[in-house]
Amino acid sequence: AQSVTQLDSHVSVSEGTPVLLRCNYSSSYSPSLFWYVQHPNKGLQLLLKYTSAATLVKGINGFEAEFKKSETSFHLTKPSAHMSDAAEYFCVVTLSSGGSYIPTFGRGTSLIVHP
Amino acid sequence: NAGVTQTPKFQVLKTGQSMTLQCAQDMNHNSMYWYRQDPGMGLRLIYYSASEGTTDKGEVPNGYNVSRLNKREFSLRLESAAPSQTSVYFCASGKEGYNEQFFGPGTRLTVL
Repeated sequence: AQSVTQLDSHVSVSEGTPVLLRCNYSSSYSPSLFWYVQHPNKGLQLLLKYTSAATLVKGINGFEAEFKKSETSFHLTKPSAHMSDAAEYFCVVTLSSGGSYIPTFGRGTSLIVHP
Repeated sequence: NAGVTQTPKFQVLKTGQSMTLQCAQDMNHNSMYWYRQDPGMGLRLIYYSASEGTTDKGEVPNGYNVSRLNKREFSLRLESAAPSQTSVYFCASGKEGYNEQFFGPGTRLTVL
């Protein structure tokens, strides 16, 4: 079985300060991991993905995430927050099951950016 | 390319009514998915289709049925709507394997 835990339901930062959104996963096998962003009243957009290549993954809009197998973590970071980063962020793990690839979503972290 | 499209965008139903949510993709993807999103719950998988002609249950399939009409289209049907099905519904598609999904804009459904 696989599961994803996003450790914070809300994260509040000031514009220009670093962002850290935490994600831990549980998986019996080597997973593929994703971060998606959802702006208010919009669909989801891929930020970045890890699929067993480099452990440090760079995504769009200055975000990056590091896969740490020993810690079963895939935390999302950005050096300097922008007001436009305010959104809901989802960590996703995908595992193969009987030839199908089933994504499991975390419950989401709401990023609040103060001016 | 339109990507993933969903209709309708908004719908209000009374308890017991039925309706079908439509989803189509133009990216030639094999896999398609239906999710519901509720506050604080993330996205939960209702049904998925790994390829044309196949469908499988996800985490929360009760009260729903699906049809993979062809490679492009994947519909979700509520036969007898209940207030617990009030939610935002997202359709997604993706290539087979460990690939990302592409999401539609969502359907906001309210059941009174």
